Amino acid sequence: DSGVTQTPKHLITATGQRVTLRCSPRSGDLSVYWYQQSLDQGLQFLIQYYNGEERAKGNILERFSAQQFPDLHSELNLSSLELGDSALYFCASSGRPDSYEQYFGPGTRLTVT
Amino acid sequence: GNSVTQMEGPVTLSEEAFLTINCTYTATGYPSLFWYVQYPGEGLQLLLKATKADDKGSNKGFEATYRKETTSFHLEKGSVQVSDSAVYFCALNQAGTALIFGKGTTLSVSS
Repeated sequence: DSGVTQTPKHLITATGQRVTLRCSPRSGDLSVYWYQQSLDQGLQFLIQYYNGEERAKGNILERFSAQQFPDLHSELNLSSLELGDSALYFCASSGRPDSYEQYFGPGTRLTVT
Repeated sequence: GNSVTQMEGPVTLSEEAFLTINCTYTATGYPSLFWYVQYPGEGLQLLLKATKADDKGSNKGFEATYRKETTSFHLEKGSVQVSDSAVYFCALNQAGTALIFGKGTTLSVSS
C-alpha cells in the first residue's frame, strides 16, 4: 500500500458528460501528479500541483482541469468526455519539491460509452 | 526532449530463468532512473531506483545499474518466479518533475 488513495475505482459515463476524480496523497506529501494510462499513448503526465499551486503541465487537454485543496487532496475534472478519454488515471505524490520518488495510487478506470 | 525506450514485450519465461529487460534513455543533465511494476488490476509500484551514474538499485531480487556511458538502466533478475508476472516500466525524471515512462514490457512467467 503506497498510502495514496484514489476514488472512485471505476467510473462509467456517457460521452459529453463531466466527471471528477479524487486523490489523497501520502501523509505529509505536498506534490501531486496526475497521469493518464491508455493503450495507445502509454503513461502520460497531465499536471502537477505543489502545495496548492499548479507547478507543471504536460499533455493535458483544455477540457481537463485540476486543483489541489488546502488539505492537499487533489481533484481532476474531465468534461465534455469523448470515447478516447477512456483510460486509467493515476495520481502520484511526493514529498519535498526536489524529491525524485513518486508513489502511485491504485488508479481510477474511466470508461466513456 | 527526454525520453525512455524499453524493449517491446511480451517476454515469456519459465520459472527460475534469468530475466533481462533493456532500457535506454535520452536526457539532458543527470536524471534519476526508476523501474516501476504494475501487477494486473493494480497501480504502479516503485521497484527500484538509481539517482546517479554507477548506482545500482536493487529490490526483491531485481537489480539495475545506472550506466551513463551507454545511457542504459537494464533490469535483471537471476531467477524469476510466477509471481513476477507483471508489466515493468522504466522511467526517468529530474528532481521535482514528472516521470517520463517507457511503453512498458509485459513479463509472463510459467511454472
